[in-house]
Amino acid sequence: AQKITQTQPGMFVQEKEAVTLDCTYDTSDPSYGLFWYKQPSSGEMIFLIYQGSYDQQNATEGRYSLNFQKARKSANLVISASQLGDSAMYFCAMREGWTGGFKTIFGAGTRLFVKA
Amino acid sequence: GAVVSQHPSWVICKSGTSVKIECRSLDFQATTMFWYRQFPKQSLMLMATSNEGSKATYEQGVEKDKFLINHASLTLSTLTVTSAHPEDSSFYICSALPSLAGARSEQYFGPGTRLTVT
Repeated sequence: AQKITQTQPGMFVQEKEAVTLDCTYDTSDPSYGLFWYKQPSSGEMIFLIYQGSYDQQNATEGRYSLNFQKARKSANLVISASQLGDSAMYFCAMREGWTGGFKTIFGAGTRLFVKA
Repeated sequence: GAVVSQHPSWVICKSGTSVKIECRSLDFQATTMFWYRQFPKQSLMLMATSNEGSKATYEQGVEKDKFLINHASLTLSTLTVTSAHPEDSSFYICSALPSLAGARSEQYFGPGTRLTVT
């Protein structure tokens, strides 16, 4: 069964600094996708970044990068140059391929607070 | 980008009544849609996977007779909370996976429906 773990309930970061949000996963499916989403207080789910299990390079999207360590089964999100608007809940998620029915499960989330 | 809508965005109902929530993919077809429930300050919990034209697959612990899911077309899935009780009060979020998508594909989320049962 697939499993996603986020061990940081809350994180603080100073504005303009970088922050790393941790995520580990477990799956027996060789084909899977890892996602990070941001959920502000409005409740909408905002897609940030994606990493495929067969991707050789770490994904990057603007200020977001994913530190993918396949052997360790970790997919940490790095946010560079934090902004006040980055304060939100962040979820790591995983989707397995055919064996998982393409369903996506989410970690417990990390609440990020950006300080001015 | 692809848009998923949910209706209503919030609803208050009395205990014992039923509530229907609609999830529509506005500019793409979705063979598969997912329904999640989120309690305050908690994660999204997958309730069920809805496939067009077939019965939904419910996650363990989710009562299929209480949470009725219908995916009658490639752009519409509905979740009906039957005989709602205060403990069913939650934020319900649907998500749609474009047809022919795979493990690498992005799924698109609706804005959520906040249900309050009094």
